[in-house]
Amino acid sequence: EVQLVESGGGLVQPGGSLRLSCAASGFTLSDHFMDWVRQAPGKGLEWVGRTRNKANSYTTEYAASVKDRFTISRDDSKNSLYLQMNSLKTEDTAVYFCVRDGNYNGIHLLDFWGQGTLVTVSS
Amino acid sequence: DIQMTQSPSSLSASVGDRVTITCRASQGISNYLAWFQQKPGEAPKSLIYAASSLHGGVPSKFSGSGSGTDFTLIISSLQPEDFATYYCEQYYTYPLTFGGGTKVEIK
Repeated sequence: EVQLVESGGGLVQPGGSLRLSCAASGFTLSDHFMDWVRQAPGKGLEWVGRTRNKANSYTTEYAASVKDRFTISRDDSKNSLYLQMNSLKTEDTAVYFCVRDGNYNGIHLLDFWGQGTLVTVSS
Repeated sequence: DIQMTQSPSSLSASVGDRVTITCRASQGISNYLAWFQQKPGEAPKSLIYAASSLHGGVPSKFSGSGSGTDFTLIISSLQPEDFATYYCEQYYTYPLTFGGGTKVEIK
C-alpha cells in the first residue's frame, strides 16, 4: 500500500525557517518524481515545486512565489522527501502536501497524495 | 503562467443528478489536464489524467473530456460520497497550475 506521511509542520515566526519531511512507503521512491503542493486555509491548491528522480539528475522546479526561499531535497536510501523553507512569510501559512508523481507513458503527473502537515507563520 | 478557470465555483445538486464542471485554460494545453476530488479535512484524490483517463479504482460514473483549452468533468449520477470540491490542473508546462475549485453541495 502506497503511503506518504508528512511531518515537521508547526508554528514559526515570520522570517524563520522550517523543514518538512515526507516518509514514503509501499513503492520505490527512487523511481519517482515527487512534488510539494500547498493549500492555504479555506483556499485552493498551489503547486510549490518538484524534484525529479536519480535518472533525471534530481533536478528541481519551483513556483515563483517560493523560488530562492524553499529547497526540495530527497534521500532515496531513507525513502524520504524534504522541503526546507527559509525566510517564511505569513502568506506561506498552509497545509503542505507531499505528492508522488506517476509515469504515464513518459509523462510525469501527480497521482498519490499524503495527508498533509500544517505550517503556520505568525508572530 | 497558464491560468485555469473553473465554473461554476459552486453548485447544489441532488442525489442521482448528472453534474457537469468545466475548466478552461488560458492557452492550449493539449490533453495535459487532470482532475482531483477533495473532501473536507482530507487530502486530494486523483480522479482523471490526460483529460479523460481514469486512475485505477475510480468509478466509471466519473468521466472527462476536452482538449486544447476547454475541458469537462461529468459525474453521471451523483451519490452522497461525491459531495466534495473538485479541482482541475494543467501539467503541460511549469509552473503546474490548478483551477480555483468547484464545490459540489447537497441540494
